[in-house]
Amino acid sequence: DIQMTQSPSSLSAAVGDRVTITCRASQSITNFLNWYQQRPGKAPKLLIYGASSLQSGVPSKFSGSGSGTDFTLTISSLQPEDFATYYCQQSYSKPYSFGQGTKLEIK
Amino acid sequence: EVQLLESGGGLVQPGGSLRLSCEASGFTFSSHAMSWLRQTPGKGLEWVSGISGSATITEYTDSVQGRFTVSRDNSKNTLYLQMNSLRAEDTALYYCAKDAWGLPAYYFDYWGQGTLDTVSS
Repeated sequence: DIQMTQSPSSLSAAVGDRVTITCRASQSITNFLNWYQQRPGKAPKLLIYGASSLQSGVPSKFSGSGSGTDFTLTISSLQPEDFATYYCQQSYSKPYSFGQGTKLEIK
Repeated sequence: EVQLLESGGGLVQPGGSLRLSCEASGFTFSSHAMSWLRQTPGKGLEWVSGISGSATITEYTDSVQGRFTVSRDNSKNTLYLQMNSLRAEDTALYYCAKDAWGLPAYYFDYWGQGTLDTVSS
């Protein structure tokens, strides 16, 4: 099974900041990497698919990059609604697996 | 607007059974594969099972293989998860999700609100 590791596990930032979250796969997953946002008490919401494609309706402040084993999610100009937990997920092979999450908190 | 509404969760004793349902609307249900995922504070998010649009292909994560059965009724736009021989480690918030495919990507583009399943004596 493919293991997904995110870093950092938590991140403190201020409104207006730009942050980057990293995700590493235990083997190459080419571009089969997705990013989700989860706000407290809500279901995950798709942000980025295929490593770098922005889901319809998601603001362009979110961007993804990477291929193979190393990926990043960048969020620019943080707003209060962006403080949430972010997960990466590989869809290269079953069982599909998720990172442990990165909790983005307000500084 | 795509909507997924899960139901059927609850409290069950170890060894018991539950059937989860997920009623879908806002898209052509039979044209899309669907998945069940679950979330716990300890293990995080976990893909549990998937089923093709025509229900000809079903897949499971190893820990539920032989105990859980995924099915769908395309005439009712409803996805099901029959869970038998439940264990304490099956306690989780269960989500249904719509699968999407766009080369080179496969992802879950819509999720339900989740239904809580607690296995405890």
